[in-house]
Amino acid sequence: DSGVTQTPKHLITATGQRVTLRCSPRSGDLSVYWYQQSLDQGLQFLIHYYNGEERAKGNILERFSAQQFPDLHSELNLSSLELGDSALYFCASSALTGGQDTQYFGPGTRLTVL
Amino acid sequence: LAKTTQPISMDSYEGQEVNITCSHNNIATNDYITWYQQFPSQGPRFIIQGYKTKVTNEVASLFIPADRKSSTLSLPRVSLSDTAVYYCLVRDTGGFKTIFGAGTRLFVKA
Repeated sequence: DSGVTQTPKHLITATGQRVTLRCSPRSGDLSVYWYQQSLDQGLQFLIHYYNGEERAKGNILERFSAQQFPDLHSELNLSSLELGDSALYFCASSALTGGQDTQYFGPGTRLTVL
Repeated sequence: LAKTTQPISMDSYEGQEVNITCSHNNIATNDYITWYQQFPSQGPRFIIQGYKTKVTNEVASLFIPADRKSSTLSLPRVSLSDTAVYYCLVRDTGGFKTIFGAGTRLFVKA
């Protein structure tokens, strides 16, 4: 158990809908990262927050947005969903933001768009 | 942009030592090299991290040459449960992006 929690574990929805994925970092970690992993694909970095502020953006679509709240939990919002958005979405947290930070990953949310 | 290159897949037998090499020619001075293990439908799990020379923990060893343009993850005496995808990771030199490579799919046979 990494200490990172993600809800829900599974999500099934239809095209055009909007969903929110939630992540609670490990106690004391200020950084939260979001990743997308499609079937048999690698991990695609989406976005990084540190203590409530956006630090870096990866290949995150404009239909996707995220935020980190004062209590440090984070939410990833996916809107106008398409079939291709079906994937595992992972959240990770770390204590640092530099090159030495070790990211601890949550169990993921499996999103299925029908 | 920092990029890593690893073999796509490797096969091994139980009890053997496995070495997986990762190339990261554009690694930045301040970057560390981190390796993760991922089982199907699970989040990646931290294995080991290093900056230079050799690092060893209870799970693996990491060898990094002086030029730091590559690194080798060494798994001693693998077992069937080590079958997984292994990623090496360096931070993007331009900021805080995290770029995972394609990973190496290790298959351990009995």
